[in-house]
Amino acid sequence: QVQLQQSGAELVKPGTSVKLSCKASGYTFTSNHMNWIKQTTGQGLEWIGIINPGSGGTSYNVKFKGKATLTVDKSSSTAFMQLSSLTPEDSAVYYCVRDWFAYWGQGTLVTVSS
Amino acid sequence: DIQMTQSPSSLSASLGDRVTITCRASQDIGNYLSWFQQKPGKSPRLMIYGATNLEDGVPSRFSGSRSGSDYSLTISSLESEDTAIYYCLQYDKYRTFGGGTKLELK
Repeated sequence: QVQLQQSGAELVKPGTSVKLSCKASGYTFTSNHMNWIKQTTGQGLEWIGIINPGSGGTSYNVKFKGKATLTVDKSSSTAFMQLSSLTPEDSAVYYCVRDWFAYWGQGTLVTVSS
Repeated sequence: DIQMTQSPSSLSASLGDRVTITCRASQDIGNYLSWFQQKPGKSPRLMIYGATNLEDGVPSRFSGSRSGSDYSLTISSLESEDTAIYYCLQYDKYRTFGGGTKLELK
């Protein structure tokens, strides 16, 4: 069965970067694009961007350009998202989601605090 | 960018009620519209895709429809387990979520 296993919670300091991972299993990793979604506590869902694991091609929500960088490692069927220049406003749960949104990871909580 | 305006933002209904949630797209998205249910502490669950198609395992009391640029999620007879936050998503051009609707029992 399809599974997306995300990395554990992160507590990071303002101004630093963090790299989240999402390991896919149960399907051919390069067959489906991978989305990343942000959800702040008590708030809605924001689409960050999407990556084609086969080509590495990406598209981003303009709001997250320069903030998020999406990559993949095909050899381990893992997608990554790096968030840079972190501020408290980046504190949220981040999900990886296989297109077309039937399969979601369990989410990774990122807390940005000094 | 495509904007998705979801209404209402919150809704209180009784068991057995018919409930409808709506999303309006700022431009044509065809039928590239999905609906999700999210319960506290859980990842969202796909309920409807292609505006009207029920995802496997979703109870038949859920349905989706379209009228022009308005897309609706309807629960024909509300059950207690349906209390959740519901989101729409357009996936015609990039992806955009609606703002969410919190559905509670009256």
